Amino acid sequence: QKEVEQDPGPLSVPEGAIVSLNCTYSNSAFQYFMWYRQYSRKGPELLMYTYSSGNKEDGRFTAQVDKSSKYISLFIRDSQPSDSATYLCAPASGGSYIPTFGRGTSLIVHP
Amino acid sequence: EAGVTQFPSHSVIEKGQTVTLRCDPISGHDNLYWYRRVMGKEIKFLLHFVKESKQDESGMPNNRFLAERTGGTYSTLKVQPAELEDSGVYFCASNRGSNTEAFFGQGTRLTVV
Repeated sequence: QKEVEQDPGPLSVPEGAIVSLNCTYSNSAFQYFMWYRQYSRKGPELLMYTYSSGNKEDGRFTAQVDKSSKYISLFIRDSQPSDSATYLCAPASGGSYIPTFGRGTSLIVHP
Repeated sequence: EAGVTQFPSHSVIEKGQTVTLRCDPISGHDNLYWYRRVMGKEIKFLLHFVKESKQDESGMPNNRFLAERTGGTYSTLKVQPAELEDSGVYFCASNRGSNTEAFFGQGTRLTVV
């Protein structure tokens, strides 16, 4: 079983839609939960970061963590074509802070 | 402020040859990380430098890979001799403290033929 499971997609939605991206993990030591966004031919960039369970909102983006079920979500409201990218779920343990990446979900937002 | 820069952006080499990848972290960042993404797989951690010291090299695949960070500034990752399965995108990242945001370079795409 992989440590972080993520559906690679692609997920195609119309502009303005609400997008839900999800991943599951198996390592109970994970305490920090990050979402990275990666545009084509670029490196990953940190989008959202949460600690332990709960929700965190930043503009159109909401990250949600449920440690009891080991389930991580990222919601994007009013999606824009510029949101088209690969979204990488990346939890980390408290000891190393080094993220363990999922395969990423490719999101396409069409006008 | 310049971001993390990696050289070259793309390298094509023959099996058995040697390739050296370079990473220039953001100035003042003591922590430097190397990652690799093989096609269709996850981005995998290779190793972590704190200044010039290797803090964690548990992700290095084998002894054909050698990473250095002399002087605690830029880092190099040498693959010698390269094998077909070494093909992928090699990313470098850096941060000031290990619990702060890490910034990634654009990656070096290595193709071994």
